[in-house]
This record gives sequence, structure tokens and C-alpha cells, in this order.
Amino acid sequence: QSALTQPASVSGSPGQSITLSCTGKHSDVGTYTLVSWYQQHPGKAPKLMIYEVNKRPSGVSDRFSGSKSGSTASLTISGLQAEDEADYYCCSYVDRSKYVFGTGTKVTVL
Amino acid sequence: QVQLEQSGAEVRKPGASVRIPCKTSGYAFDFHYMHWVRQAPGQGLEWMAVLHPSGSEATYAQSFQGRITVTRDASSGTFYMDLWSLESGDTAIYFCAREMETGSGALDIWGQGTMVTVSS
Repeated sequence: QSALTQPASVSGSPGQSITLSCTGKHSDVGTYTLVSWYQQHPGKAPKLMIYEVNKRPSGVSDRFSGSKSGSTASLTISGLQAEDEADYYCCSYVDRSKYVFGTGTKVTVL
Repeated sequence: QVQLEQSGAEVRKPGASVRIPCKTSGYAFDFHYMHWVRQAPGQGLEWMAVLHPSGSEATYAQSFQGRITVTRDASSGTFYMDLWSLESGDTAIYFCAREMETGSGALDIWGQGTMVTVSS
């Protein structure tokens, strides 16, 4: 199972909105709604930001939102803040209880 | 407080095996799937395996099939990941992560990670 494809880097200025993409195949992102997104700061464990395509866990800012169209999932960060600078990974259910992560996107706040 | 506690670091020679513990606290561990994810230095996350809440059924990524086992000690609430036939490419941080709700695929609680270095 090959990794989902994410852009290596995305940048934006404080206050702007940015969208991160996560492209898979019909057999993973295209079929299942079990797509989640994780934020990872250097030297830290990943943090769940979005699950089941567009649900936010308790405590996650509503500046983070998720969506999906076909085999591409997206994470939008609105009102970009300095603390949002981190690596972001998508993850999708594949089948038979297996999952696959994306290649990761480094978000830079200019 | 819900927590997953992992040990700090392990060093192994090529060809050896490693067992990584993940001790749970603050929740009913037999109601949640437990996943294992690794991250090589400077690289992305790689999904490795998941253990069913029953503790008796596991699923593994194809790339690890045949040299990995994930288990659980119900008496202590500690999960284990065993990986053998180690090579330098297995040098990575290994995380355990709890699935928030059965069938959600959402990993809401993560251990701090165990650094495994494979070197001769």
C-alpha cells in the first residue's frame, strides 16, 4: 500500500487561510470516510485534528476543517497563526483493518 | 488522565529483535483498538499494525508481515510490539496510539514514542 500523496510544503501569512491536499486512490480515500488529519510539532507525538473526514475532536480549534471530494481529502486552516506551523499528515482506512498515512506537509507561517 | 507510557530508547544490532511496551492508564483498554506507527528520522509516519480490543486479533501492514507481532497483557494493561530481523532501515521512533472510537480510525491518544536504533 503506497503512501497518500501530500504536497511537501505549504505556506501562508498570519490570518490567511490555507488548504492542504491528500490524494489517494479509489480503494482508500475514494471509498472510505475514515480519513483523519494529524498535526506534529518537532520532537512531539502527532495530535489528532480531524477525523472521519470533517469531525473535530473536543479541544481542537474550529479554524481547522476537513472535506473530501473523490479520492482527495483536504484540510483547511483558517486564520493562520504562528502556532499552526508544523507538519501535517493525513491518514485513510484502506481495507481489512489496514490504514495508510500521507507523505506529510510542512506548513510554514510567513 | 488517559495516558500511554512508552520507554525511552532501545539499541539493537542488525538481525536482532526488539519488544516495545506501551502501558495504558486512565481508560478501559479492552474497549479500544491499539495502533502502532513508526517514524524514521526526518521522515513521515508509517502505519504498522493494529490490535483488536479483544486482544486476540491483529492486523499488520504488508511491509511488516512475517516479522511483527502485537500483543497485550490484560493483567497490566500493557501492549507490546515485537519486531525481529532488524535492519538499519528500522531505526525509527515507534509510537503506540489509541483509536478513539471503535471503527473511527481516529488516533486520539499517543505515547511519547520509543526510539529504536539499529546499528552494528
